Amino acid sequence: DTGVSQDPRHKITKRGQNVTFRCDPISEHNRLYWYRQTLGQGPEFLTYFQNEAQLEKSRLLSDRFSAERPKGSFSTLEIQRTEQGDSAMYLCASSLRGGGAGELFFGEGSRLTVL
Amino acid sequence: GENVEQHPSTLSVQEGDSAVIKCTYSDSASNYFPWYKQELGKGPQLIIDIRSNVGEKKDQRIAVTLNKTAKHFSLHITETQPEDSAVYFCAAVPLYNQGGKLIFGQGTELSVKP
Repeated sequence: DTGVSQDPRHKITKRGQNVTFRCDPISEHNRLYWYRQTLGQGPEFLTYFQNEAQLEKSRLLSDRFSAERPKGSFSTLEIQRTEQGDSAMYLCASSLRGGGAGELFFGEGSRLTVL
Repeated sequence: GENVEQHPSTLSVQEGDSAVIKCTYSDSASNYFPWYKQELGKGPQLIIDIRSNVGEKKDQRIAVTLNKTAKHFSLHITETQPEDSAVYFCAAVPLYNQGGKLIFGQGTELSVKP
């Protein structure tokens, strides 16, 4: 399968713990996005990378959230000191585009439950 | 910033009927409008998109129309089938956004009854 891969698919954690999600984009895609989706809502943009550079971050991305894409390939999203409000589906997407808008390919998501 | 409103939130149709989902956007500079289908437990998947220089686009049973003056666009599904049941999201990308970031609507849960 050469689509966007996310790991883990499900994570249950206790409040205050740290969690990390990994995303492997489609190999030739230079852009990588993180979105958050809560039940009954559309995905909300968190941040995106062009190659290894993080070019935009949403105000939704508090200081407890950090994302990296160290070599311009896979990316990680870490949430420190988790809160119950962090419970959501975290979606990763990638695209290949020189500029402007093009199709985003989404992964299956990582569902986080904070108890 | 861009804001996308989507209606209705739920839609139930009989198999074979047509379904229409409507979205409005706030930023008149938006130039790309994709539609995504999300099945339970899966990520969104692009089903059709339209750019601002086109008024209508069709792909088999699905079509999208764009009215730039009114700032709204619609998804039309004809001859619906049970496998069309899913949540559908519209989205927009403002012209200034060179990163291609999508702003999504709230979603429409479509149920096609056999």
